[in-house]
This record gives sequence, structure tokens and C-alpha cells, in this order.
Amino acid sequence: DAKTTQPTSMDCAEGRAANLPCNHSTISGNEYVYWYRQIHSQGPQYIIHGLKNNETNEMASLIITEDRKSSTLILPHATLRDTAVYYCIVRVWDSNYQLIWGAGTKLIIKP
Amino acid sequence: DVKVTQSSRYLVKRTGEKVFLECVQDMDHENMFWYRQDPGLGLRLIYFSYDVKMKEKGDIPEGYSVSREKKERFSLILESASTNQTSMYLCASSLWAGDEQYFGPGTRLTVT
Repeated sequence: DAKTTQPTSMDCAEGRAANLPCNHSTISGNEYVYWYRQIHSQGPQYIIHGLKNNETNEMASLIITEDRKSSTLILPHATLRDTAVYYCIVRVWDSNYQLIWGAGTKLIIKP
Repeated sequence: DVKVTQSSRYLVKRTGEKVFLECVQDMDHENMFWYRQDPGLGLRLIYFSYDVKMKEKGDIPEGYSVSREKKERFSLILESASTNQTSMYLCASSLWAGDEQYFGPGTRLTVT
């Protein structure tokens, strides 16, 4: 079973920051938080990952709480092309190939 | 950029047929994966391979086999297709076990 809980769906206005929450209350000390997204009719796309520090790349920022029980993916200036299903996944860094996929959050960016 | 390609976007086969789904990656990745994606069930791992001629079962290997004769190519085989194998099939690759996975566009297989 997926080790994360995400809202089923969210809306965000174009140009605004989209904040996608994820709960992972049973996360272990050696498990990373990964985010992927899947745009309709495409394969999933990697966004970002982190262990305990906040991370930022050209696509998004990842904020992980100090107790690591939850995290937030931030798309700073959402565009219509960011409409997708966003998956939050926890996994061990180097010992397990497997990603356990939940249902994700359907993010709809509205003009 | 990493590119993962799959042989077909859409495929229609009859029950009992042998089906081959091909996946090719161009970044010399060690690991390759086959998933299926179904509404309400998410992505589930069928098989993965961490080296040429090596394979490991995922969560749902029954009814499937795989082949990896070359590093860049990973094939999924349905020996005798059944209607419950109608699904979206996604191939992925990664440089090493913990690395991010790069996905192909998927093959939507319909078995009638």
C-alpha cells in the first residue's frame, strides 16, 4: 500500500502558486520523498525529491516539515500546462527499486 | 535528455494472442521497469531489470514475462493475452536503483 496520503483534487488559478500537500506520517529515517506528475496521456515525469532539507529546482520547491511527517510541493507560478496528476512517493534511497504509487492529486489550473 | 520510447501507443489484440511490448532507452541506464496503470489502482510494477539478462518480479508478474538481451532494450511479453490484461503499460529506466525514473509515453493495450 502507498505510504502517503494526498487530497484527491485541487484547483489553482493560473499565475498563482500551487501548493500540493502530502502526508507521510510513517516515513522512516532513510526514506526520501519523491514527487512525480503525469500529464494526461503521457508517462509520469520526475519533479523533485528530498530527505529532510527543503529542495528547489527549475520546476518546483519541496518543503518538508521538521518531523518529516508531511511535505508540500510548490509550483511557484502555475500555468495551464501544469494541469496533471501529482504523485507523492516515499522510498528508501538505495536498497529498493520500487516506487509505491498512490492515487495522487489531480491539480487543475484555471485561467 | 533521456528518451524512453515504446513501440506502440495503441495496440489491439485478441484473447490468446502472444503480445510483445518493446521499450528502448538511449541513456545507457542500468535499470529498466515495466508497470501497468489502471484506474483506481495506480501504477503497479510488473517486472524490472537491473542488468542485461537479469530480471526481478514486481508486484504483479503473473501472466507476463520479460526479456533484456541488450542494455537499451526491455521487452514485456504476454504469452497468452487475456481481457484482464487490457491496460496502459508504462516502461521506465533509471541510472541506478535509487535514481529518478524516466518514463516512456505508454502503450494502451486492449485485449478483445
